[in-house]
Amino acid sequence: EAGVVQSPRYKIIEKKQPVAFWCNPISGHNTLYWYLQNLGQGPELLIRYENEEAVDDSQLPKDRFSAERLKGVDSTLKIQPAELGDSAVYLCASSLVFAENTDTQYFGPGTRLTVL
Amino acid sequence: SQQGEEDPQALSIQEGENATMNCSYKTSINNLQWYRQNSGRGLVHLILIRSNEREKHSGRLRVTLDTSKKSSSLLITASRAADTASYFCATDGGTSYGKLTFGQGTILTVHP
Repeated sequence: EAGVVQSPRYKIIEKKQPVAFWCNPISGHNTLYWYLQNLGQGPELLIRYENEEAVDDSQLPKDRFSAERLKGVDSTLKIQPAELGDSAVYLCASSLVFAENTDTQYFGPGTRLTVL
Repeated sequence: SQQGEEDPQALSIQEGENATMNCSYKTSINNLQWYRQNSGRGLVHLILIRSNEREKHSGRLRVTLDTSKKSSSLLITASRAADTASYFCATDGGTSYGKLTFGQGTILTVHP
């Protein structure tokens, strides 16, 4: 079974430039997550989708960050414009969540963003 | 904000020794999960323990949960150099199932 796929793995951009990250979740997983992980810290949730609906985006800085999940499968996270403080690893995860049952979240390898 | 706090922040042991990591959290949970992250890679799920469970085993891993103390521990027995990684606890709590809040992690180094 293929895991969560993310691209690109690494991205270096100048500040004020736009950047986009792509995620393909595990087939059949209805829930998709984007996390931000700073160096030496645990991941922090940015946004969570259940199918196509963003059910929790309270931690997403909406002035510069946006996300979408096309047809409830792939997802794209965008930053425009990027700031120096956005340098971090952006992780995508997916899981199968229904009713009160929570399945394991499976993580992709992440995209390491460096903003110069 | 991060709910979980791992202790210690770093742990260095010799191969064959046991490693114990602790996690404390602040609010009620549905379940608690432990993840491992090797340097520069994504997180790998290790074990999930539900709020009504007290202990769970998986291979060389043993997890305990004390909801009265809002704490959990992860024990890795007979450690190997390949166990060198960062270990994170994550809590799934409140009314929103599936929303994980991670701690800051414990960096484990196992010397061969």
